[in-house]
Amino acid sequence: EAQVTQNPRYLITVTGKKLTVTCSQNMNHEYMSWYRQDPGLGLRQIYYSMNVEVTDKGDVPEGYKVSRKEKRNFPLILESPSPNQTSLYFCASSFLGDSDTQYFGPGTRLTVL
Amino acid sequence: LAKTTQPISMDSYEGQEVNITCSHNNIATNDYITWYQQFPSQGPRFIIQGYKTKVTNEVASLFIPADRKSSTLSLPRVSLSDTAVYYCLVGDEATGGFKTIFGAGTRLFVKA
Repeated sequence: EAQVTQNPRYLITVTGKKLTVTCSQNMNHEYMSWYRQDPGLGLRQIYYSMNVEVTDKGDVPEGYKVSRKEKRNFPLILESPSPNQTSLYFCASSFLGDSDTQYFGPGTRLTVL
Repeated sequence: LAKTTQPISMDSYEGQEVNITCSHNNIATNDYITWYQQFPSQGPRFIIQGYKTKVTNEVASLFIPADRKSSTLSLPRVSLSDTAVYYCLVGDEATGGFKTIFGAGTRLFVKA
């Protein structure tokens, strides 16, 4: 089944404790992206990647890191999480020439205490 | 940056046709118009995409006038399960369309 998977689905952590949210897709998509969704602010793009080793900032990249060492994986790294990073995070992927048509993962709900 | 404007919310009744209009005055020549649907606590789901005139699939229709400065998503005979947030997107020409900007979306509430 074609899908985007994220792990973990739920995470409660404390300020400053490094964490990684994994994202994997099985559709051979070149393009992958991370979003955060907050009440009243909608979906905002954090980072995106056009292919292996090619990443770029979205609208809200501060406090996040990404890497794209393999085509199928695009982990989101929070080196020192803070409470304002409490949010619902979505990973998405698509073919490079069709980045408007993205497949989204189920989401990761992160709470930073 | 390409920017879209949609109504914040709409109400409808089961069985009615719903039309959600999106304004995108600064759309670039090469941009497509894409609509997504999102249910609570789920990721957005692609509904339909078009460039000009009319596009129809099994879920919805998309109407785009000749000047392409707006578009209308049409949902025929909505049901309670169509209650969701609907987002209109256009590409970001400055980044070749790779930077994705979701607007605030339109919250559609379908009543029985």
